[in-house]
Amino acid sequence: DTGVSQDPRHKITKRGQNVTFRCDPISEHNRLYWYRQTLGQGPEFLTYFQNEAQLEKSRLLSDRFSAERPKGSFSTLEIQRTEQGDSAMYLCASSLGGGGARAEAFFGQGTRLTVV
Amino acid sequence: AQKITQTQPGMFVQEKEAVTLDCTYDTSDPSYGLFWYKQPSSGEMIFLIYQGSYDQQNATEGRYSLNFQKARKSANLVISASQLGDSAMYFCAMREGIQGAQKLVFGQGTRLTINP
Repeated sequence: DTGVSQDPRHKITKRGQNVTFRCDPISEHNRLYWYRQTLGQGPEFLTYFQNEAQLEKSRLLSDRFSAERPKGSFSTLEIQRTEQGDSAMYLCASSLGGGGARAEAFFGQGTRLTVV
Repeated sequence: AQKITQTQPGMFVQEKEAVTLDCTYDTSDPSYGLFWYKQPSSGEMIFLIYQGSYDQQNATEGRYSLNFQKARKSANLVISASQLGDSAMYFCAMREGIQGAQKLVFGQGTRLTINP
């Protein structure tokens, strides 16, 4: 296992289409996070899983967004009826729980979404 | 609420010089962690260094050190002997407490350019 992997790396879609991204975390990590990063900004938290349970969602996550982590391993992030404002880099990160504030998050290379 | 401020949108430094990237934070939680990440043009967030709020000494990792001034709520990153490969975006981030999602809150970043 070489780290967090995300697929696809790039996605171009037409406005109104649905897209789904996948994240495979580091295998022993029980925590998984999704962030969104727009151009020139730092990443913003979207949602968080501990094992298969989605425990927190940001207000940024509108009802067009849904995330799952069905078996506590990989996760998917789906965006329905995409809008141009959804264009961003979507970053996935994983970490070990129980490490307190020290628990280092390892990030994937991200999926860059462009909505045209 | 947590807040991270990075006031330097861009920094230009000659190769082999030391550089300090500024970060101030705001939190009411006595237990928190501060992180610095590097983001090259490939997009991946690379962990550099961590400082815990209760750590007595400033963190160091190779050429990276963190100048932690708790009373001023600052956590500046110092890169010694800069190299061309250090050119990238640098983000300061904070995680509060030891409970809950432990999500990271990021600053807006500083773009560092190392000139030969």
